[in-house]
Amino acid sequence: DIQMTQSPSSLSASVGDRVTITCRASQGIRNDLGWYQQTPGKAPKRLIYAASSLQSGVPSRFSGSGSGTEFTLTISSLQPEDFAIYYCLQHNSYPWTFGQGTKVEIK
Amino acid sequence: QVQLVESGGGLVKPGGSLRLSCAASGFTFTDFYMYWIRQAPGKGLEWISYISGSGIPTYYTASLRGRFTISRDNAKNSLYLQMSSLRVEDTAVYYCARASFKGYISSWDAFDVWGQGTLVSVSS
Repeated sequence: DIQMTQSPSSLSASVGDRVTITCRASQGIRNDLGWYQQTPGKAPKRLIYAASSLQSGVPSRFSGSGSGTEFTLTISSLQPEDFAIYYCLQHNSYPWTFGQGTKVEIK
Repeated sequence: QVQLVESGGGLVKPGGSLRLSCAASGFTFTDFYMYWIRQAPGKGLEWISYISGSGIPTYYTASLRGRFTISRDNAKNSLYLQMSSLRVEDTAVYYCARASFKGYISSWDAFDVWGQGTLVSVSS
């Protein structure tokens, strides 16, 4: 199975901060990666697909990059509604696997 | 509007059974593979099963084989998960989600739409 390692597992940031979350795959997955945001009590919502493509309707402050084994989700200017848990998902080979999540908290 | 709505969760005793449903609307159901994903309380996301648009093939994460059965009724635009021999560790919110294979890029468009989830609690 491909292991997805996210870092950090949590972070504290202020409104307006630039935030970067990293996901590393245990083997190459091309760009078969998505990023998901989950707020308390809600289903995950896809932000980024194919590693760097912005999901329709998602604010442009979210961006993704990377290919192969290292991927990054960046929030350019953190907004109050962005405090949530973020997950990466690899869909290169079964079983598809999620990262363990990164909790973004208010500083 | 594209929508997935789960139902069927509840409280069940260890060793019991439960059937979850996921009603799809707003898209051509047969064009999509359908998936069940679960999230234990306070934990991360775990993909557990998929079924193709036609119903074959199906796939399960190794820890579940033999206890859970995924199925779909394309005439009813519905996905199901029959769960048996339930264990305390199966307690989770269960989500359905969709994916489609994009042959022109040989890749998946994965989990763009999710249901709201249904809670399964296994406890004596």
